Amino acid sequence: ETGVTQSPTHLIKTRGQQVTLRCSSQSGHNTVSWYQQALGQGPQFIFQYYREEENGRGNFPPRFSGLQFPNYSSELNVNALELDDSALYLCASSLPGPGAGGYTFGSGTRLTVV
Amino acid sequence: AQRVTQPEKLLSVFKGAPVELKCNYSYSGSPELFWYVQYSRQRLQLLLRHISRESIKGFTADLNKGETSFHLKKPFAQEEDSAMYYCALTFQGAQKLVFGQGTRLTINP
Repeated sequence: ETGVTQSPTHLIKTRGQQVTLRCSSQSGHNTVSWYQQALGQGPQFIFQYYREEENGRGNFPPRFSGLQFPNYSSELNVNALELDDSALYLCASSLPGPGAGGYTFGSGTRLTVV
Repeated sequence: AQRVTQPEKLLSVFKGAPVELKCNYSYSGSPELFWYVQYSRQRLQLLLRHISRESIKGFTADLNKGETSFHLKKPFAQEEDSAMYYCALTFQGAQKLVFGQGTRLTINP
């Protein structure tokens, strides 16, 4: 059984650029959630995907978008990067059902915007 | 809006001493509460959830709806308990976890 894998582990982008982060979910999990963790803060919910559709969204602007593929892997896209987008981006997979507990987290992608 | 507060950013105790990491939440309905832990150089992982009422690695947490708290406790701290601990909340029908800011626990030898 494989866990959640994220790529890349680190990247540096310039303000105004676009970025795509990738996530492969744990075997058997068909729900993927993305979180942003700024330095010194807890993770903040960006959105969740289930059956290739967005299934809940946090307080993030539309320039944060995502995709889920038939194999349950997912992408997070951020357009028009801002300095405040610098953070650790976490992907978590889970089974569907009430609530959102019981996540398996990936190691994250550290994004630095300069 | 739902909120989770962990009042201590840093907590340092000696090995063998009792540990209590505080967590308070604001939510008017029936929440589901969790503790997640992140050891050095490892990913965030679930430690325990209140509905299972388990004791994991000697840690327990009781949901107190009157005080809206879900404090994490361990009677005798061990050096391997040093880690970052996050309290988190969700509720029926939600697709998200709401996390606190985290408490860095250091166990001194």
